[in-house]
Amino acid sequence: QSVLTQPPSLSGAPGQRVTISCTGSTSNIGAPYDVHWYLQLPGTVPRVLIYRNNNRPSGVPDRFSGSKSGTSASLAITGLQAEDEGDYYCQSYDSSLSGWVFGGGTKLTV
Amino acid sequence: QMQLQESGPGLVKPSETLSLTCTVSGGSISNNNYYWGWVRQPPGKGLEWIASIFYTGSTKYNPSLKSRVTISIDTSRDQFSLKLISVTAADTAVYYCASHAIFDSFDPWGQGALVTVSS
Repeated sequence: QSVLTQPPSLSGAPGQRVTISCTGSTSNIGAPYDVHWYLQLPGTVPRVLIYRNNNRPSGVPDRFSGSKSGTSASLAITGLQAEDEGDYYCQSYDSSLSGWVFGGGTKLTV
Repeated sequence: QMQLQESGPGLVKPSETLSLTCTVSGGSISNNNYYWGWVRQPPGKGLEWIASIFYTGSTKYNPSLKSRVTISIDTSRDQFSLKLISVTAADTAVYYCASHAIFDSFDPWGQGALVTVSS
């Protein structure tokens, strides 16, 4: 059971908007430690999609955006495309564990 | 551009020790901004942080694995290593090494090394 809770799966039609939630606690997201999001396409290495809550690395389309409020964070994807299909993970730091934590992952189907 | 590469045996017998090394290139492992960490992913499952080490040798471990894990660093070789003792089939996973600032994202990642625990 992950310290950060994500929905196991989500689906959306091309062009739609989806939101992936990441729920934590006062020892991680609510502490407040930054939240980062990763996308893992099938058979590939996870890559950073959003860092420090709402920042996109160069090359990540502005269809992807992140937000954080209280003990939760969200990743929004607009204009869903087939290439967005994959596994999405949130990640933060947890002071109680004195270490880093990942969400359980959300499998997005387009 | 910094790159990381895992190396080590792909097959380990139950009850034995899993040993992996991550070699850093294109940057110095003595960079005082970064931790050097290990993350694993069992087949079909999610990501699990295992341990991280600072260039000074300061370490952090996942409490669920702490009793079996040792992370170490060799700054002269720009390498850091992972040892996991008393492995079982549940330790079968792709093991990734990655760098990260203390409160920042894990980036970059190595390509990953599949380690299978089987007799």
